[in-house]
Amino acid sequence: KAGVTQTPRYLIKTRGQQVTLSCSPISGHRSVSWYQQTPGQGLQFLFEYFSETQRNKGNFPGRFSGRQFSNSRSEMNVSTLELGDSALYLCASSLDVSNYGYTFGSGTRLTVV
Amino acid sequence: DAKTTQPTSMDCAEGRAANLPCNHSTISGNEYVYWYRQIHSQGPQYIIHGLKNNETNEMASLIITEDRKSSTLILPHATLRDTAVYYCIVRGGGYMDSNYQLIWGAGTKLIIKP
Repeated sequence: KAGVTQTPRYLIKTRGQQVTLSCSPISGHRSVSWYQQTPGQGLQFLFEYFSETQRNKGNFPGRFSGRQFSNSRSEMNVSTLELGDSALYLCASSLDVSNYGYTFGSGTRLTVV
Repeated sequence: DAKTTQPTSMDCAEGRAANLPCNHSTISGNEYVYWYRQIHSQGPQYIIHGLKNNETNEMASLIITEDRKSSTLILPHATLRDTAVYYCIVRGGGYMDSNYQLIWGAGTKLIIKP
């Protein structure tokens, strides 16, 4: 079966712009989580959605937002980009929010210049 | 902060068993131990998880001590493709728990040598 699909794979944006990243979970998975990975901070949890509702949120500023659609696909948006937002953004899906292993996508590499 | 402690790096010979330790001395009764790995430039890959009993799947075995303060991930016959960063994570039982999020430490960089 198809894995978690993230688009685009690579993105270059200018400081101050906004960006939208997309994630299509594995078919049947209803939970989608987003993570930011940087060399300095490692993997950090952004938020998790289940059935179009945000269930959990990490410690990121309000410039980071997300949503989930009725087909479980999810988007995350970062407004007013800063240089420090350059990172690998990873999406993971799971059957639900209980103790199932997450399946991660390959990520979107965002570079802010 | 991560609730686990792992060695920064380890080596293992190809074909041998790789044993990756993890300390989680402050683990709570409802917290699970999860293992993921991340191969360079890819997203993390789920390996295995457990609560108190030892677990085994097609990838690995997870041995959790009786007091649950530490665990060991065992890759029975390591191959070069197992070279990756391995993360040990403790996580609460349900999304209503305050400790539900996956909090990632720095992990162990495992290098499999021919």
